[in-house]
Amino acid sequence: GQNIDQPTEMTATEGAIVQINCTYQTSGFNGLFWYQQHAGEAPTFLSYNVLDGLEEKGRFSSFLSRSKGYSYLLLKELQMKDSASYLCAVNNAGNMLTFGGGTRLMVKP
Amino acid sequence: DVKVTQSSRYLVKRTGEKVFLECVQDMDHENMFWYRQDPGLGLRLIYFSYDVKMKEKGDIPEGYSVSREKKERFSLILESASTNQTSMYLCAIQGRVSSPVTEAFFGQGTRLTVV
Repeated sequence: GQNIDQPTEMTATEGAIVQINCTYQTSGFNGLFWYQQHAGEAPTFLSYNVLDGLEEKGRFSSFLSRSKGYSYLLLKELQMKDSASYLCAVNNAGNMLTFGGGTRLMVKP
Repeated sequence: DVKVTQSSRYLVKRTGEKVFLECVQDMDHENMFWYRQDPGLGLRLIYFSYDVKMKEKGDIPEGYSVSREKKERFSLILESASTNQTSMYLCAIQGRVSSPVTEAFFGQGTRLTVV
């Protein structure tokens, strides 16, 4: 079976750093995606990791450990517009995504 | 700019009606997916298609069917709508399996309410 876990909600302060964790147990792993979804909108791509390590892209970084079935998304210098849901998704060998439940991040002034 | 267009943004249907949700893409991607998104449950895969006239069941196919007569169009059909099918429906596209992995692109979603 496939199981992807991430926290349901997180709160952080503007300007701070927040880390959103994702653990997974899936078959046929072919990379892990992070998506951002603002309320009422479609998910948009943030990052993709297929090898172990850290991928940095501006204020956002994503980390993967395949042996531990673990990833995190790191958001630095938080802005109010970062308030959104963050979706962890595992890509299997057939290019099919399985999503976690999403983490709703609230950024406070 | 990638375009994944869903036919309706909001839809209200009556119980028992047959409902068609259309998704059209302009990226020439082989893989197309239908998800539903419910609070606390995340995105769940209903059906997907790797090519024209091909379809595969996802995790929750019961009560749904799909059609892919042309590469750019993937339709989700609710044969007899029920209130538990009230949800946000999202269409997604992704490149072919043998290609380098690319991200999935999503349509804007259709919020369906069955009354």
